[in-house]
Amino acid sequence: GQQVMQIPQYQHVQEGEDFTTYCNSSTTLSNIQWYKQRPGGHPVFLIQLVKSGEVKKQKRLTFQFGEAKKNSSLHITATQTTDVGTYFCAGPLMDSNYQLIWGAGTKLIIKP
Amino acid sequence: ETGVTQTPRHLVMGMTNKKSLKCEQHLGHNAMYWYKQSAKKPLELMFVYNFKEQTENNSVPSRFSPECPNSSHLFLHLHTLQPEDSALYLCASSQDWEENTGELFFGEGSRLTVL
Repeated sequence: GQQVMQIPQYQHVQEGEDFTTYCNSSTTLSNIQWYKQRPGGHPVFLIQLVKSGEVKKQKRLTFQFGEAKKNSSLHITATQTTDVGTYFCAGPLMDSNYQLIWGAGTKLIIKP
Repeated sequence: ETGVTQTPRHLVMGMTNKKSLKCEQHLGHNAMYWYKQSAKKPLELMFVYNFKEQTENNSVPSRFSPECPNSSHLFLHLHTLQPEDSALYLCASSQDWEENTGELFFGEGSRLTVL
């Protein structure tokens, strides 16, 4: 069945280092969404990418959607403690208007 | 404040109990969702309601029973649960799900523990 794979599962970084999470879909996606969930919190929408090859920036966060619309990445430059949390990607299930297929998330951990 | 309020935030229940989770959204959205979040697993969609009509039931066991009396309120009735049902239950809403472009607004979740 349709799957969205997200890697890595965890990433430990020193504060100030960069962080990247990758999302790969088994099928072409019409769009992809990214969410952040802080420890003990709930997922919060970050961004949606729709166009092939699209790149969007939010301050230190850069989001990319692949040319084939099957992969995406989130890159954080110079991580800060406020970036700690789990980052999820999600794409629409084929032949569905309301179901999203979710990646398992990448947990960003800042080393003390 | 997300605009989506869930109660209770924490719930402990025995396997023979009956309890309900409540969700209310103040965003004027048309679609509401129940998701289950278990450790180290992707979010699992349980139910979707659009304009109060249930549009999806993702093979959820009958011990979970949803209710949507209007577009702003959503309930999840729980009965005879199993310990493996312990998880974070998230309610979400969205506006334009028909066009598949609507972001989801999540509530803070109800942490359920089944003893």
